[in-house]
Parts: sequence; structure tokens; C-alpha cells
Amino acid sequence: AQTVTQSQPEMSVQEAETVTLSCTYDTSESDYYLFWYKQPPSRQMILVIRQEAYKQQNATENRFSVNFQKAAKSFSLKISDSQLGDAAMYFCAYNGAGNMLTFGGGTRLMVKP
Amino acid sequence: KAGVTQTPRYLIKTRGQQVTLSCSPISGHRSVSWYQQTPGQGLQFLFEYFSETQRNKGNFPGRFSGRQFSNSRSEMNVSTLELGDSALYLCASRRSSGGVTKNIQYFGAGTRLSVL
Repeated sequence: AQTVTQSQPEMSVQEAETVTLSCTYDTSESDYYLFWYKQPPSRQMILVIRQEAYKQQNATENRFSVNFQKAAKSFSLKISDSQLGDAAMYFCAYNGAGNMLTFGGGTRLMVKP
Repeated sequence: KAGVTQTPRYLIKTRGQQVTLSCSPISGHRSVSWYQQTPGQGLQFLFEYFSETQRNKGNFPGRFSGRQFSNSRSEMNVSTLELGDSALYLCASRRSSGGVTKNIQYFGAGTRLSVL
């Protein structure tokens, strides 16, 4: 079974600065997808960014980028120019052959003005 | 395009009762998955439906069941409610065929179930 680990329960960042959230996963599959989802207090789960395992190039979406290290099974999220609206729970998720998402425990990100 | 719609948003039930939650996927999405979110266990996969058939099931007791209709709308049922069933239940839909976005799951706002 696949597992996803987020080792930082809480992170804090100053507005306009950069923060990196960590995620590691364990799998024996070679073809899979990785996602970062954001869950604000409204509880709506919002897709932030996705990465296909077969792609070597790291995904980027505006201020959000990932560092995907397939051999190390690491998938970190970097948020640049942090904004107050970025404050939320962030979940790393794995999607393999079963098409079900396996989530990490989440990282609560606080943004200080 | 409308997003994933879950109803109701909030529910309060007592132990032993049963409950039915509803999920309408994004138009054109044929796969619907359900997840349970609790402070203790985090986010856990319940089951996935595609074309009215259950394709995958997580590690939950038989009290948790679901179904999908021909219009892809899905319902989830929990019978003989227990206090531990109090949770946020999230539904997600995905296109499941064609294109680079077929594996992206889009979530609804969830149904908050409280069991007293």
C-alpha cells in the first residue's frame, strides 16, 4: 500500500516571503500522479498543482512550484511571494493505479502580515 | 461550468440512525469518489463509482455503502450510525478519460455529519 508523509504539521511564513512544504511517499508503482491540495477554513479542497511521475520537469503554477525527486520519493511545494490568502491546510496526495487519492496528514500554513 | 455539489452541507443525527449524502459531479465527469475526513484519521478513501459500478473500496465497514445513478450523481449511505462516524464527507469527481486532466479529482465543499 502507498503511504504519504508530511513531516511538518505547522509552518509559518512572513507575507511576501517564500516557504517550502515537504512531502515524501512510498510506492512500488512506476506510473503515478502527485498533487498538492489546499483546504482553507471553508473546507473546500482546491487543487494547487499536479505532477506526472513520468515527467522529469518540475510543475509550476504561477507562485507555486514543486521539487519532484522521483528516486528519493520526495515531492515538496514551494510558495513564492506568500499572500494572506495562502493561509490554509495543505495536503500532499498520491494517485496510482487504483485511481484513489492517498493523502498525507497535512501541513497548516500560517501567513503573517 | 458548475462544480461538484454536495447536499446537505450539515447534518445532525443520533446513534443508530442512518443517513444519505448526495453528490452531483461536474458535468461530463463519470467517476465519483468519496472520502472521510476526521481529525484523528485524516483523509481516507471510502469508494469510487464509475458508470454506476463500484470500482474501488477503502477499508470501511459494510455500514458504509454507495451507489451511482445513470446521470453520474452519487449517493452515500451510512447505516446504524456510531459516534465515530462524525466527520466531513467529501465527494470528488473526475473526467476519467481523454486528455491530461483525466486524473484530476475535483472536490465538493463536503457534508459535515455530526452524530450525537
